[in-house]
Amino acid sequence: AQSVTQLGSHVSVSEGALVLLRCNYSSSVPPYLFWYVQYPNQGLQLLLKYTSAATLVKGINGFEAEFKKSETSFHLTKPSAHMSDAAEYFCAVSGYSSASKIIFGSGTRLSIRP
Amino acid sequence: GAGVSQSPSNKVTEKGKDVELRCDPISGHTALYWYRQSLGQGLEFLIYFQGNSAPDKSGLPSDRFSAERTGGSVSTLTIQRTQQEDSAVYLCASSLAREVTGELFFGEGSRLTVL
Repeated sequence: AQSVTQLGSHVSVSEGALVLLRCNYSSSVPPYLFWYVQYPNQGLQLLLKYTSAATLVKGINGFEAEFKKSETSFHLTKPSAHMSDAAEYFCAVSGYSSASKIIFGSGTRLSIRP
Repeated sequence: GAGVSQSPSNKVTEKGKDVELRCDPISGHTALYWYRQSLGQGLEFLIYFQGNSAPDKSGLPSDRFSAERTGGSVSTLTIQRTQQEDSAVYLCASSLAREVTGELFFGEGSRLTVL
């Protein structure tokens, strides 16, 4: 079974500051991990994914995430926040089998202060 | 259409009524998911269809909820005897077969309000 915990339902940073959104997972099998983003009044879209290749994954809009097995973490970072990054971010986990469903976390709302 | 299509986009119903929500996945996508998004609750997994395999219904919250997928394409989520706690946005997503590592494509959702 898989599960995801996102620490912090709301994160607020200043424009230009580092963005760090935390995600910890639990999985009985090697996991695949994802970050999805939901901009205001829009549907969810894939930001990046980890599928057992490189542990540092780069996504769209300057975001990246690092898979750390020892810490069971997949935190999302961006060096410099932009106003357009304001959105809800969801971490998700699945097993490697096609029979394995994708489970999402509760989400973190990111606000950007001018 | 090119994307995942859901209908209705908004549904207001009275407590105790049945509702049906429809999802048209992207053509060729054999994996289909239903999730429920409530304020502060994130995305709650409901059900997963993968090709001709038996669906994973482990997320359905009660026996009032059911879903089917006809011809490996269109899916309908049915909620019987709706309750106020069923109010939420119901999201459908699809992806390519055997591409569990692939991208989920989400519809815009069906917002259900139970009065």
